[in-house]
Amino acid sequence: DAKTTQPTSMDCAEGRAANLPCNHSTISGNEYVYWYRQIHSQGPQYIIHGLKNNETNEMASLIITEDRKSSTLILPHATLRDTAVYYCIVRSYGGSQGNLIFGKGTKLSVKP
Amino acid sequence: NAGVTQTPKFRILKIGQSMTLQCTQDMNHNYMYWYRQDPGMGLKLIYYSVGAGITDKGEVPNGYNVSRSTTEDFPLRLELAAPSQTSVYFCASSYQSGLAAHNEQFFGPGTRLTVL
Repeated sequence: DAKTTQPTSMDCAEGRAANLPCNHSTISGNEYVYWYRQIHSQGPQYIIHGLKNNETNEMASLIITEDRKSSTLILPHATLRDTAVYYCIVRSYGGSQGNLIFGKGTKLSVKP
Repeated sequence: NAGVTQTPKFRILKIGQSMTLQCTQDMNHNYMYWYRQDPGMGLKLIYYSVGAGITDKGEVPNGYNVSRSTTEDFPLRLELAAPSQTSVYFCASSYQSGLAAHNEQFFGPGTRLTVL
């Protein structure tokens, strides 16, 4: 599975959009981009995933560049409860293991 | 649905003691996983199972054992606890099939283990 690079930490003002970048320059054609987050001391939570088209759900939007070498997770109106570590993960669909490879992620701090 | 449940929430062990971390899911998922998370780090896969009776090693299996006798349960066994096993342990489950849209994993709340 391709590796990802994320900033260590970011700040965002409450009510503003939080844009979290992720680089995955070695991504291959059959690999998806997944985003999970981990609120302090809790288990990780799935947010969104995509292959090459932009995706949106009730939690966030995922923007993937045309060359698929980077992506951005957008939380449109960040709240204090969105303070968490956000993990960008690239892996193949399905597969024999199904496990996710977590890096250190980006620590997002939403401030009042 | 309760989702993925883990017991205990916290445990302190002495070096050389053994214990079993329990994990149960009620979503009829076929895949289950055990991860550990050391302070300030991402999660690392210990063991996983693709169905009852089938288990396999992940990235950091040494010092652990697992079994999967039912679809619902996936206990993790520590035989001879060592300080290096001080960590937070997360169990997860997912549904995998050739036609699955994606492998969203559902995580339990974690077990915080300290070995002294």
